[in-house]
Amino acid sequence: AQSVTQPDIHITVSEGASLELRCNYSYGATPYLFWYVQSPGQGLQLLLKYFSGDTLVQGIKGFEAEFKRSQSSFNLRKPSVHWSDAAEYFCAVGAVDMRFGAGTRLTVKP
Amino acid sequence: NAGVTQTPKFQVLKTGQSMTLQCAQDMNHEYMSWYRQDPGMGLRLIHYSVGAGITDQGEVPNGYNVSRSTTEDFPLRLLSAAPSQTSVYFCASSYARLARHHYEQYFGPGTRLTVT
Repeated sequence: AQSVTQPDIHITVSEGASLELRCNYSYGATPYLFWYVQSPGQGLQLLLKYFSGDTLVQGIKGFEAEFKRSQSSFNLRKPSVHWSDAAEYFCAVGAVDMRFGAGTRLTVKP
Repeated sequence: NAGVTQTPKFQVLKTGQSMTLQCAQDMNHEYMSWYRQDPGMGLRLIHYSVGAGITDQGEVPNGYNVSRSTTEDFPLRLLSAAPSQTSVYFCASSYARLARHHYEQYFGPGTRLTVT
């Protein structure tokens, strides 16, 4: 069965520092992979997605993610974090029956 | 174009009561799903549908029923509410007609349900 693991429950970074959020997945075929962001009390917004082609994908708000099949990973990165990036981030895998990770809460220090 | 709409936004139920959470989309999407979100557990798939008249169970289907009589609507029914069903419920829709948008979920604003 497909599943997603986000090993980090909570990450704190300083504003301007780089960020990497980890995501590992289990899926039987070539996966559809997604990263979503949820600000406090808000709904979910799609940051980026991968389904084929170039393994480095660019998303909104300066985020990127790299698909590594050999490691079953789809880590999210941003070179310089802004205070407005503080939110919860969810990795997801699948199609109609999508599975989400438990999320990583990002705190940004001034 | 309203996207995905959910009603109500908030609901308080007593144990044993029943209710229906409404979800509608106006984007002509084939696929619709219901998730619940609990702290520390992310979103968990309750039920999903690949088209009118076709539904299937997700990860946590017990205690919930769904049906899909039209493309637009996908209501979620709680037959006998339990405190364990206290959660935030999100409805989502998606489609696969354009490869670059394959299965990209469009989420509704959520319904916060409390069962006492």
